[in-house]
Parts: sequence; C-alpha cells; structure tokens
Amino acid sequence: EVHLVESGGGLVQPGGSLRLTCAASGFTFSDHYMDWVRQAPGKGLEWVGRIRNKAQSYTTEYAASVKGRFTISRDDSDNSLYLQMNSLKTEDTAMYYCGRDLISWGAAIDIWGQGTMVTVSS
Amino acid sequence: DIQMTQSPSSVSASVGDRVTISCRASQGIGSWLAWYQQKPGKAPRLLIYGASRLQSGIPSRFSGGGSGTDFTLTISTLQPEDSATYYCQQAKSFPLTLGGGTKVEIK
Repeated sequence: EVHLVESGGGLVQPGGSLRLTCAASGFTFSDHYMDWVRQAPGKGLEWVGRIRNKAQSYTTEYAASVKGRFTISRDDSDNSLYLQMNSLKTEDTAMYYCGRDLISWGAAIDIWGQGTMVTVSS
Repeated sequence: DIQMTQSPSSVSASVGDRVTISCRASQGIGSWLAWYQQKPGKAPRLLIYGASRLQSGIPSRFSGGGSGTDFTLTISTLQPEDSATYYCQQAKSFPLTLGGGTKVEIK
C-alpha cells in the first residue's frame, strides 16, 4: 500500500529551526516529484514547495513566503523527503503535509501524508 | 502569481441535490487545474486533475469542467459523505496556488 508518513513537527521558538521528514513506502519514490503543503489552523491550503526527481536534477521550487528560509531535499536511497525550516516565524505555524505528484500529469498531488504539526511560539 | 478565487465560500444543500462550485484564475491556465476534497482533521484527497479528468477511485458523481480562467466542480447527486471543504489548485506556473476553499454542508 502506498504511504507517506511525516514526522519532526513540534514546538519551536521564533527564529529557530526544525527539520521535517516524510517517509515513503509502497511506490517507486525516486520516480516522483514531491511537494510540501501547509495549512495554518482554521485556514486554507498553502503550497510550500516542490522537489523534482533525479532526471530533472532534483531541482526545487518554493513559495515566496518561505524562499530563502526553507530547503527541500530528498534521499532516494532511503525513500525520504525532507523540509529544513530555518528562521521560523509565528506565521509558519501550520500542519505540514508531504505529497506525491501524480506521475502522469505531474502537477497534482495524488497521495498525501497525514501531516505533522509545527507550532512557532515563544 | 496566479490568484485563484472560489465561489461560493460555503454552500448548504440537501442529499440528492446538484452542487456546483466555481473557481476563477486571475490569468489563463488552460486545463492546468486540480480539485481536492478535505474533511476535518484529514489530509486532502485529489478528485480531479487536468480540469476534467477523474482521479482513480473517485465516484463518478464528481465532475470537473472549464478551461482558461473559469472552472467548475459539480457534484451531481450530493451524498452525506460529501460534506467537506473543496479546493481548486492551478498547476500552470510556480508558485502553485490554491483557492480559498468552498465548504459544502448537508442540510
């Protein structure tokens, strides 16, 4: 069965750092582009960023709100996706979801993890 | 950035009703649009991609239409389990952007 499981969320002070991990199973992880999407409490979905596959040189894209502070990486040998979050702000408080891109279309997320909560507060 | 605007923000309908949600892009995106369903406390679920292609395993009462700047998601016969918030997402250009969501409630 196809699964994505996020971990690494928690409480962090403003200005701090956190690294989220997304463990993939049940599919050929290395073939797929992967995304991070977040949702602040009671709010809508916000796309955070994407990392492409090896064929596309692992290139990345980011939302303006996180560019320069967040870094997406992946380890295909370990079927893992990462989100390194630095210089965290209170407005980064959200549930963070990892997602697998639909390989036949490449721009929609067809598999989602259950999410991991990040709270930025002093 | 491409702005995505959904309407209405919420709708209340009875079981068996036909429900249509609209999504407008601030510029033309061809058919580069997806729709998601999200229930409280759960991750989103992909319903439609390519504006009108039904994702595998999604009931046929869901359908998508439109191209360019104006899109619709239609639930042909509303079921109790369709109570959720629905989001559109453009995939034409980065950053990927989503609409604000439409909450569908059952009367």
